[in-house]
Amino acid sequence: DSGVTQTPKHLITATGQRVTLRCSPRSGDLSVYWYQQSLDQGLQFLIQYYNGEERAKGNILERFSAQQFPDLHSELNLSSLELGDSALYFCASSVETSGSYNEQFFGPGTRLTVL
Amino acid sequence: DAKTTQPNSMESNEEEPVHLPCNHSTISGTDYIHWYRQLPSQGPEYVIHGLTSNVNNRMASLAIAEDRKSSTLILHRATLRDAAVYYCILRDRGAQKLVFGQGTRLTINP
Repeated sequence: DSGVTQTPKHLITATGQRVTLRCSPRSGDLSVYWYQQSLDQGLQFLIQYYNGEERAKGNILERFSAQQFPDLHSELNLSSLELGDSALYFCASSVETSGSYNEQFFGPGTRLTVL
Repeated sequence: DAKTTQPNSMESNEEEPVHLPCNHSTISGTDYIHWYRQLPSQGPEYVIHGLTSNVNNRMASLAIAEDRKSSTLILHRATLRDAAVYYCILRDRGAQKLVFGQGTRLTINP
């Protein structure tokens, strides 16, 4: 158990809909990352938040957005869903300390199926 | 992001050592070499990382070539639980995101 929790575990929805994925980082971790894993694209970095602020952006679509709340949990919002958005979505957290290279702890993932 | 090249798959036997290679010929001086693995139906987990010197921890050893253009992850005594996809990742100093390649799928035979 990494200490990172993600809900829900599975999500099935229809095209055009909007969903919210939730992540609670390990206690004390200020940084949250979102990754998408699909069969054709592999594991791809989407976005990082640090202590409530966006820190880095990857291959995140404009239809997707994220935020990190004062209690440090994060939500990934996916809207206007398409079939190709079906994937595993992982959240990871780390303690970001200046000058160090902290390992990222990954949650169990949310499996999104768009029908 | 600098790229890494790994074999698509490898197979080994239980209780034998496993050497997982990774080529990274375009590595820069500030790139750290990280290894993560992903067990079936789980999120990735950190294994080990290094810069220039060989590194050991409770999970594995990391051997880094002198020119840093390649590295090898060593599992000293593989167990069935080590069957996973192993990712070799270059992470620039100051960069927090991980850029995953295709990884090596390791199969362990009983």
